[in-house]
Amino acid sequence: DAGVTQSPTHLIKTRGQQVTLRCSPKSGHDTVSWYQQALGQGPQFIFQYYEEEERQRGNFPDRFSGHQFPNYSSELNVNALLLGDSALYLCASRNGKIGYTFGSGTRLTVV
Amino acid sequence: AQSVTQLDSQVPVFEEAPVELRCNYSSSVSVYLFWYVQYPNQGLQLLLKYLSGSTLVKGINGFEAEFNKSQTSFHLRKPSVHISDTAEYFCAVIDTNAGKSTFGDGTTLTVKP
Repeated sequence: DAGVTQSPTHLIKTRGQQVTLRCSPKSGHDTVSWYQQALGQGPQFIFQYYEEEERQRGNFPDRFSGHQFPNYSSELNVNALLLGDSALYLCASRNGKIGYTFGSGTRLTVV
Repeated sequence: AQSVTQLDSQVPVFEEAPVELRCNYSSSVSVYLFWYVQYPNQGLQLLLKYLSGSTLVKGINGFEAEFNKSQTSFHLRKPSVHISDTAEYFCAVIDTNAGKSTFGDGTTLTVKP
């Protein structure tokens, strides 16, 4: 049973560019959340998608946007990249109230 | 609003010794509580969760945690640690209604031989 799959695993972008990260949830999961984890810190909640709509959002600017598709997969888009956007981006999925299953993350480096 | 405080940023301990990783939280709404473990260059793995019922929760790899509502704490314990338990541990709360989650800054557990 495949867990949460994220792509790509690593990415290097230049300041000002745009990036799209992808996530396939665990089979049977319908809710997807995205997190940003800076080095040495805990994951920070970006937003949550359910039924193709953004349901909850953390304290992130509008440069961060997302999408959920009918097959429950999701994308995270970040525009006008800043050096401070360098982090591990984690996708997590769940069905119901049981704890999230996390993917291994995408390591984004902005230079 | 909710917040999570992990009281120890680093916990060094010798192999086969007991360990406790401390977590306090605050929230204006009802929450569920979780502990996750993160190994280097990996995502987070669920160790255990408290949703309701018995306040003593048992998880994987011999870990357990006790929910204390009056002290708003959810400390993680293991009676005898192994070298392989060396990792980063995160405490998290999730709003039972909205599903918004908040993580602590993590505790680095280092098990020495």
